[in-house]
Amino acid sequence: GQSLEQPSEVTAVEGAIVQINCTYQTSGFYGLSWYQQHDGGAPTFLSYNGLDGLEETGRFSSFLSRSDSYGYLLLQELQMKDSASYFCAVNWSSYKLIFGSGTRLLVRP
Amino acid sequence: IAGITQAPTSQILAAGRRMTLRCTQDMRHNAMYWYRQDLGLGLRLIHYSNTAGTTGKGEVPDGYSVSRANTDDFPLTLASAVPSQTSVYFCASSDSLAGHNEQFFGPGTRLTVL
Repeated sequence: GQSLEQPSEVTAVEGAIVQINCTYQTSGFYGLSWYQQHDGGAPTFLSYNGLDGLEETGRFSSFLSRSDSYGYLLLQELQMKDSASYFCAVNWSSYKLIFGSGTRLLVRP
Repeated sequence: IAGITQAPTSQILAAGRRMTLRCTQDMRHNAMYWYRQDLGLGLRLIHYSNTAGTTGKGEVPDGYSVSRANTDDFPLTLASAVPSQTSVYFCASSDSLAGHNEQFFGPGTRLTVL
């Protein structure tokens, strides 16, 4: 079967750094993506790792280790607006994704 | 307006009724997808289409059908709705040749089957 594991909930303080981990087991692997979803909204793309290492986009970074079937999303200088659900997703074919169950991030003042 | 639209925004449906959810994109993306999202769960792929004229089954295709007559439209049909199909449905599209396959999501349709 195919599975992705990520924590269900994380709480952090405004201005802090938080890391959301994702481990996966899939039949195919082209890369690991991260999506953000605010309550009542649609998922929006944050980042993609096709190769091992760190990708940085502003306050957000994403890391991948294919040998460990592991990745993480790092959010720095947390802001209240970062409170949302974050989903890791494996590109298991060139155009299909399988999503994790999501991590709900609550940022407190 | 560039993007992806879905209709209706929400719908309450009696069990056994037929329902078509509409999805249109104007980004000329080759690939389109339908997902359902249930409370506390991630998105699960129902059906997909890699190009106009072709469709494929995702993780949870039973009870749903799709068609892709042209690049822009990708309707999802529930032939005979059942309460377990109560969910939020998201349509998405992507340029699947772009490597990272960033998917763009519509605003969703909240469907309740009674």
